[in-house]
Amino acid sequence: GDSVTQMEGPVTLSEEAFLTINCTYTATGYPSLFWYVQYPGEGLQLLLKATKADDKGSNKGFEATYRKETTSFHLEKGSVQVSDSAVYFCALSEKGFQKLVFGTGTRLLVSP
Amino acid sequence: DTAVSQTPKYLVTQMGNDKSIKCEQNLGHDTMYWYKQDSKKFLKIMFSYNNKELIINETVPNRFSPKSPDKAHLNLHINSLELGDSAVYFCASSQLDRANYGYTFGSGTRLTVV
Repeated sequence: GDSVTQMEGPVTLSEEAFLTINCTYTATGYPSLFWYVQYPGEGLQLLLKATKADDKGSNKGFEATYRKETTSFHLEKGSVQVSDSAVYFCALSEKGFQKLVFGTGTRLLVSP
Repeated sequence: DTAVSQTPKYLVTQMGNDKSIKCEQNLGHDTMYWYKQDSKKFLKIMFSYNNKELIINETVPNRFSPKSPDKAHLNLHINSLELGDSAVYFCASSQLDRANYGYTFGSGTRLTVV
């Protein structure tokens, strides 16, 4: 079945450092890919998405590119802030499957 | 004007009790979901309803029974609560023919069974 694999956390960075959170997926078709963010004590918010190969999703300085050849959707940000501290989830949704499949989440901790 | 609202936000109850969690969305979406997030933050789908009809029922104990009185509401009733049911339960909604737009999640219900 479909699955999403994320790097283990926590990822600990200093403010203004470069961020990469790796995500790879397994799917039978051509899924849409998503990054969700969960701030402490809150629900999940859609951060960005990409619906086909080579699409780049971007939002709030975060970017991820849909790489079909490597089945990856790595999240990047050039300069993180303390306010970016949260848990980040990679997810996929296959057309017709009507559900999101999540990775295990990666906690990001940014210190001043 | 919250898009997806769940009640209650926190629920503490004893083993063996029966409890319900309510969810409402005002986005006009036709599909609603229940997800369970365990203590390690892992998220797994439990149920999905499209226009009041059950379309996804993952391997979930029979003690869990969803009910959708209309497409804007999806409630979750849990019988005979067990310690292992302690988790955060998230409701979400989407428009099925636009699932690649992503889902909108509620803020979660933290259930603690003691």
